Amino acid sequence: GESVGLHLPTLSVQEGDNSIINCAYSNSASDYFIWYKQESGKGPQFIIDIRSNMDKRQGQRVTVLLNKTVKHLSLQIAATQPGDSTVYFCAERSGGYQKVTFGTGTKLQVIP
Amino acid sequence: NAGVTQTPKFQVLKTGQSMTLQCAQDMNHEYMSWYRQDPGMGLRLIHYSVGAGITDQGEVPNGYNVSRSTTEDFPLRLLSAAPSQTSVYFCASSPPQQGLEYFGPGTRLTVT
Repeated sequence: GESVGLHLPTLSVQEGDNSIINCAYSNSASDYFIWYKQESGKGPQFIIDIRSNMDKRQGQRVTVLLNKTVKHLSLQIAATQPGDSTVYFCAERSGGYQKVTFGTGTKLQVIP
Repeated sequence: NAGVTQTPKFQVLKTGQSMTLQCAQDMNHEYMSWYRQDPGMGLRLIHYSVGAGITDQGEVPNGYNVSRSTTEDFPLRLLSAAPSQTSVYFCASSPPQQGLEYFGPGTRLTVT
């Protein structure tokens, strides 16, 4: 069957470099944002989240930046490793539980 | 905890057949959802439930039914399968008011 990673934009980075994956969101009323990763044949897995009253949040080796002025979200991965090679996508929520929009995703390819 | 489980993992149906995709979670989450994932598109919400006995439609509900008789289980029924329902289906659960979802491993469905 076709992998979810096909036909997605690809970001190629050298092992050890920092990666920046971008996401433009659509709804200015969105108040909660989540980054997921998805390995081939598996379900999405939570990486990090941020609420609209923040502009930066850090986790282990990952940082999410939120720019509400231009409706832009980014995921930064420090010291990228080959195991980070997979598909990443963002999600935005606005109010009700059902009001969620998922991005189409970016494939990260780490070059050893 | 097993988290969110889905069965079957793969299924092939003929047009017009009906079937039920099973989803169960053991985290006592109140919120559960069904999504479909198609190439080049973000996850799209089919149906969701905010608690046992309560279900509602998402973005793409046509052709699907759900029920939620217990907190743990949230089956998705395809009434009369169509080729347009060929997709990968994900079930997810979430604690209330959090918005962060835990996804199952998915069911890859092909309708011929």
